[in-house]
Amino acid sequence: AQSVTQLGSHVSVSEGALVLLRCNYSSSVPPYLFWYVQYPNQGLQLLLKYTTGATLVKGINGFEAEFKKSETSFHLTKPSAHMSDAAEYFCAVTPYSGGGADGLTFGKGTHLIIQP
Amino acid sequence: NAGVTQTPKFQVLKTGQSMTLQCAQDMNHNSMYWYRQDPGMGLRLIYYSASEGTTDKGEVPNGYNVSRLNKREFSLRLESAAPSQTSVYFCASRPPRGISYEQYFGPGTRLTVT
Repeated sequence: AQSVTQLGSHVSVSEGALVLLRCNYSSSVPPYLFWYVQYPNQGLQLLLKYTTGATLVKGINGFEAEFKKSETSFHLTKPSAHMSDAAEYFCAVTPYSGGGADGLTFGKGTHLIIQP
Repeated sequence: NAGVTQTPKFQVLKTGQSMTLQCAQDMNHNSMYWYRQDPGMGLRLIYYSASEGTTDKGEVPNGYNVSRLNKREFSLRLESAAPSQTSVYFCASRPPRGISYEQYFGPGTRLTVT
């Protein structure tokens, strides 16, 4: 079984400031990890993913995340926030190996607010 | 490629009515999924289908049925809608494991049950 915890249901940063959205996971098997973004009244769009290999992964729109196995974390960062980054962000996990229910397990989401 | 499409976009039902949410993908994916999204809850898996002809329950299957009509289409049916089923419903699909684990989402159906 797996679970995802996103710290902070709302995060507010100033335009140009660092964005840090926190995600911790629990998984009994090696995980695959994802960050998705959802703009108002839209579906989910993949920002980035960690499967295997390099633990620092880069995604779209200048976002990146680092998989830290020892900390069971996969925090999302962006050096300089832009107004267009305002959205809901979801961290998700799926087990590397098969068995059990398929599908993604999502965190509850973090609403990112950008202050001008 | 249209990707994952869902119909309808919006629907209002009265308690006890039934309806079917339609989902189709044109990416030749084997696996398809139905999620519901509620405020503060993230997305939760209702049902999934690993291949044509197979379906399995997810985290919150009660009150729903699904049909994997063919490789492209995966429908979600509410037989007797309840206010607790007011939600936004998302369909998703995924390529075979070994190719990619990411899921591709449709635009969603916003359902209100009064």
